[in-house]
Amino acid sequence: EPEVTQTPSHQVTQMGQEVILRCVPISNHLYFYWYRQILGQKVEFLVSFYNNEISEKSEIFDDQFSVERPDGSNFTLKIRSTKLEDSAMYFCASSEALLGYEKLFFGSGTQLSVL
Amino acid sequence: RKEVEQDPGPFNVPEGATVAFNCTYSNSASQSFFWYRQDCRKEPKLLMSVYSSGNEDGRFTAQLNRASQYISLLIRDSKLSDSATYLCVVNPGGYQKVTFGTGTKLQVIP
Repeated sequence: EPEVTQTPSHQVTQMGQEVILRCVPISNHLYFYWYRQILGQKVEFLVSFYNNEISEKSEIFDDQFSVERPDGSNFTLKIRSTKLEDSAMYFCASSEALLGYEKLFFGSGTQLSVL
Repeated sequence: RKEVEQDPGPFNVPEGATVAFNCTYSNSASQSFFWYRQDCRKEPKLLMSVYSSGNEDGRFTAQLNRASQYISLLIRDSKLSDSATYLCVVNPGGYQKVTFGTGTKLQVIP
């Protein structure tokens, strides 16, 4: 089965540093997402991306966050100046079409630790 | 009322038992519903979609009750490998996101 791949699997950074989390969505998918999960809490929506632009974002996705699709395969999440509270598992996901009954395929996640 | 609410559990059941989870949602306009499974420190994986007529996949049965705004998941003949957190997921419709519940933890005991 095709899969979403994420790198790195773990990222440790100092507070205030910039991090870039990388994802390769499934090749024929058109919709891309970032979710995060703080340890012991629920999976939270950050942003959705379609046709090279953000289509929806949550209140968590403030000016410190940005997303980009720099080429035909990668989809990145940048956190400009990390805070302690950004420590979480970040999941990239993709879907073939607009979410309705469409399946969300998740990557295995990047565990971000901000020290 | 939370957007999507689940009993966190844990539900500790013996192998072979039948167990059921409920999930309530607040947005009556929600259009689609899912159950995902999440193993510890892993990504969520779709278990099944939930249709108005109810649907079954092997030992798993999902039901939707729009009048009372809840969905349910029934697992028959529990296996050790069913131990996981079960996430209720709701799509409010017309949006490119879904809302996750906090999950219900299931532990199947030998």
